[in-house]
Amino acid sequence: DTEVTQTPKHLVMGMTNKKSLKCEQHMGHRAMYWYKQKAKKPPELMFVYSYEKLSINESVPSRFSPECPNSSLLNLHLHALQPEDSALYLCASSLSSSGPSYEQYFGPGTRLTVT
Amino acid sequence: AQSVSQHNHHVILSEAASLELGCNYSYGGTVNLFWYVQYPGQHLQLLLKYFSGDPLVKGIKGFEAEFIKSKFSFNLRKPSVQWSDTAEYFCAVNVGLTGTASKLTFGTGTRLQVTL
Repeated sequence: DTEVTQTPKHLVMGMTNKKSLKCEQHMGHRAMYWYKQKAKKPPELMFVYSYEKLSINESVPSRFSPECPNSSLLNLHLHALQPEDSALYLCASSLSSSGPSYEQYFGPGTRLTVT
Repeated sequence: AQSVSQHNHHVILSEAASLELGCNYSYGGTVNLFWYVQYPGQHLQLLLKYFSGDPLVKGIKGFEAEFIKSKFSFNLRKPSVQWSDTAEYFCAVNVGLTGTASKLTFGTGTRLQVTL
């Protein structure tokens, strides 16, 4: 199984809402990532978790709050978002967060629209 | 910090034409290099990767790439494209640090359109 799953596929939320994105992998990977991708742009890294600990935060606003409850699951909690946060949010995982086992597998993404 | 340049933003080819997409990176140390593809409506998939060894790497679907260290380049090639190769192609670089979490830096992408 080389699949990373993400739910929901689409999400529309108001600026005062609280919602969560979920990502799951069962490949035994110990590193998981959140990316943001705007239309016609490359993915931009937001967070890296390694062995369930946050190891990289790319100066992401606090209205985005990541959580890694276990090695298979990664959440992104959203609160008080702005319309400019509308984007495709991608989750990825890799066997490790550095070195030769760094190949990342991407999920299909959650298309988020903030109204 | 490392950066990645893809100079071809939009490439249009006829089926059976040969393809070469440019990728240049800026980092003087050890790098790991990747090409990812994003087909319309689908998730990012790894085409090929380079960590060490033979600088000519072969990937899926007939793609290959050559790492030329002196030119800081990792160009993607395919001898004969198909209509189904229409997609967005991203070059990505990871600085080969071990022991610490590292991050993937993507180029701006090249949109390939293959016409029948």
